[in-house]
Amino acid sequence: AQTVTQSQPEMSVQEAETVTLSCTYDTSESDYYLFWYKQPPSRQMILVIRQEAYKQQNATENRFSVNFQKAAKSFSLKISDSQLGDAAMYFCAYRREASGSRLTFGEGTQLTVNP
Amino acid sequence: EAGVTQFPSHSVIEKGQTVTLRCDPISGHDNLYWYRRVMGKEIKFLLHFVKESKQDESGMPNNRFLAERTGGTYSTLKVQPAELEDSGVYFCASSRQGNQPQHFGDGTRLSIL
Repeated sequence: AQTVTQSQPEMSVQEAETVTLSCTYDTSESDYYLFWYKQPPSRQMILVIRQEAYKQQNATENRFSVNFQKAAKSFSLKISDSQLGDAAMYFCAYRREASGSRLTFGEGTQLTVNP
Repeated sequence: EAGVTQFPSHSVIEKGQTVTLRCDPISGHDNLYWYRRVMGKEIKFLLHFVKESKQDESGMPNNRFLAERTGGTYSTLKVQPAELEDSGVYFCASSRQGNQPQHFGDGTRLSIL
């Protein structure tokens, strides 16, 4: 079975600085997807970024980028130029390649952005 | 396009009572998923519908939980009778096709007293 681990229950960052959230996973499969979701307080969980395992290039979305290390089974999220609106619970998630597969989530990292 | 909507946003009931949660997926999304997050733990998969059919219900914790999606549109998740350990946040997600990213609703916070 696949597992996802987020070892940082809480993180904080100063506004405008950079923060990296860690995620490791365990799988025996070679093709899969990885995701970072963000859930602001009392708001909808939204997809931040996704990575296909077969792609060597790290995904980026504006200020959000990932460091995908397939051999190490590591998938960290870097947030550059942090903004107050980035404060949220961040979930790392794994999905098998097969269509319709469930998401397997980590425990989440609560990010605080300090002004 | 309206997002995934869930009702109610918060429900407080007593142990032994029945509660029904509802999820309206994004229009045209055949795939509908239920997940839940029990206090402080990871979000766990409950089940997956494709249209009105259950594709995978291996995550359902026990037979006190019943999910339906009659007509392949909205879905309901009924808990009967509710137990204390059922407290948590129940999320619904949908996708147009199974290989596309899942879009989540705000969740229903269920509190069992």
